[in-house]
Amino acid sequence: EIVLTQSPGTLSLSPGERATLSCRASQSVNSRYLAWYQQKPGQAPRLLIYGASSRATGIPDRFTGYGSGTDFTLTINRLEPEDFAVYFCQQYGSSPWTFGQGTKVEFK
Amino acid sequence: QVQLQQSGPGLMKTSQTLSLTCAISGNTLSSNSATWNWIRQSPSRGLEWLGRTYYRTQRFNEYAVSVKGRITITTDTSNNQFSLYLSSVGPEDTAVYYCARGIYDFFDFWGQGTLVTVSS
Repeated sequence: EIVLTQSPGTLSLSPGERATLSCRASQSVNSRYLAWYQQKPGQAPRLLIYGASSRATGIPDRFTGYGSGTDFTLTINRLEPEDFAVYFCQQYGSSPWTFGQGTKVEFK
Repeated sequence: QVQLQQSGPGLMKTSQTLSLTCAISGNTLSSNSATWNWIRQSPSRGLEWLGRTYYRTQRFNEYAVSVKGRITITTDTSNNQFSLYLSSVGPEDTAVYYCARGIYDFFDFWGQGTLVTVSS
């Protein structure tokens, strides 16, 4: 089973700043099969990025994903108030599909 | 637009069988490109994929090793819904349970979530 480790655990930032979130896999993720999700309190996760770098429908271009192998990154440029949430990565290159433990982006 | 509507009880006692249903609109259980998944989330275990059902000329079910032997996913094509059954529940099964559509095994549409609390 591929273990995903996200860092940092919490990111304290202000609106307008850039967020950089890391997701490291315990072994190489096949074909960049890495997704990112956003979750707000009381809500289901929302798909942001799939294939490591493709934005899902309706996701603004301030969200950018990149990486390959074992190291993946999600950047959020110019944080908007609605971007303060928890972000999860998920690999789907190898069953069982696994998730990282999450990074919380909070108001500074 | 795909929508997933979950139903089922939120409070259970130890050793009972958890039962949740996910009704699909905007897509079908027999889609050749989608999978239909159950995922749970708890503070101790994080997000955990439990299993899936999908159709590719025939029906397939796959389950996570962590719950294998206790989990069953069934389908009801006439009502376009699928269900999760998890037997012999214990406090460690307390979690928010989600159904979700899988496309290439990432999850693009999710149900609203059901908090299931297991107590003695």
